[in-house]
Amino acid sequence: QQQVKQSPQSLIVQKGGISIINCAYENTAFDYFPWYQQFPGKGPALLIAIRPDVSEKKEGRFTISFNKSAKQFSLHIMDSQPGDSATYFCAATRYSSASKIIFGSGTRLSIRP
Amino acid sequence: DAGITQSPRHKVTETGTPVTLRCHQTENHRYMYWYRQDPGHGLRLIHYSYGVKDTDKGEVSDGYSVSRSKTEDFLLTLESATSSQTSVYFCATGLINTEAFFGQGTRLTVV
Repeated sequence: QQQVKQSPQSLIVQKGGISIINCAYENTAFDYFPWYQQFPGKGPALLIAIRPDVSEKKEGRFTISFNKSAKQFSLHIMDSQPGDSATYFCAATRYSSASKIIFGSGTRLSIRP
Repeated sequence: DAGITQSPRHKVTETGTPVTLRCHQTENHRYMYWYRQDPGHGLRLIHYSYGVKDTDKGEVSDGYSVSRSKTEDFLLTLESATSSQTSVYFCATGLINTEAFFGQGTRLTVV
């Protein structure tokens, strides 16, 4: 049972290009959607997050686009840099004390110089 | 890493032996989680805790148990290790349930 589906599994982008990672969720009760970034040998770290009451959130070169009706959200990395090479996880949860964070399967992103 | 220490960082153990992984936090966070990370599966929740002595199962809890006798420590026990439990295990903590600050991970190999 995969509540959050993430694609692609791996992605190669040229330096300066746009990296796009997509996620879809099933549970309409989810109301918080974070993205995590993980470098080799490290634990994941929160990158950016969005609530479903907005369609887009931007922080620097990173943007989340959210489509509530389609139950989909995506991460866009503009002007991708070699330092962005990492594994990215989308996730979903609810603002409820009993809820837990469900992660997607991850995308390994490589930025070619 | 938000004051999270996982121990040990690496462990090799034999099939059938019990193994305990420890997560220690200094942030006084209410929520603590154990995830396992495997290629193609991402991060899968094993067990989580929403307070001292309050724990619940995640999506892959079979073969694992947890205990949390005080705020700062969350123990994960593999009751009888199997090769399918070879993985990287991550502990995470959060002040609220939407947060997850991760530790450095423990690489466990079951031979």
